[in-house]
Amino acid sequence: GENVEQHPSTLSVQEGDSAVIKCTYSDSASNYFPWYKQELGKRPQLIIDIRSNVGEKKDQRIAVTLNKTAKHFSLHITETQPEDSAVYFCAASSDDYKLSFGAGTTVTVRA
Amino acid sequence: GAVVSQHPSRVICKSGTSVKIECRSLDFQATTMFWYRQFPKQSLMLMATSNEGSKATYEQGVEKDKFLINHASLTLSTLTVTSAHPEDSSFYICSASRTANYGYTFGSGTRLTVV
Repeated sequence: GENVEQHPSTLSVQEGDSAVIKCTYSDSASNYFPWYKQELGKRPQLIIDIRSNVGEKKDQRIAVTLNKTAKHFSLHITETQPEDSAVYFCAASSDDYKLSFGAGTTVTVRA
Repeated sequence: GAVVSQHPSRVICKSGTSVKIECRSLDFQATTMFWYRQFPKQSLMLMATSNEGSKATYEQGVEKDKFLINHASLTLSTLTVTSAHPEDSSFYICSASRTANYGYTFGSGTRLTVV
């Protein structure tokens, strides 16, 4: 099955700085890579996703890059704000629809 | 669009009793629904995948007789935790997918506490 590894497990950044989270996956058949933000006790919220036919995608302060050859993808958050503090999960799936999640990154934005 | 409703949001039950959790897709037909369990400060672990009208497919290590899943319609899936024990206390979340191209929509989660 798919194995998704995520680093770092915790990330503390100064407000206004950038945050980068990296994930690797094992299954070359994976073709969908979403990123979720989860606040304590709440459901995961999709913040951005990318499919295997695209190398990069950007939505305002959030961007995701995908390197299919190396089987890794990254989340970039620019101009971080205190409300960006949360746990972020990467995930991967193939045509069987099953999402495999990374272990999560706790992001803290210091004011 | 793409709203998934999950109930109850919190439940406390006595050890040995059963608890049913409902997951409904409100504005779309979900061909596939997924059930996850999340322990504190951990990731989401897939428990099972259910398709409407067929038996659920359970992940390795998940007891199918303990976690009963029913996907009777394209808008409703239920998870019943049978003979619950304190170690079953966790956050259970469902998600629904129309097709892979539409992504996944998560329910709001159910905090189960077994005392």
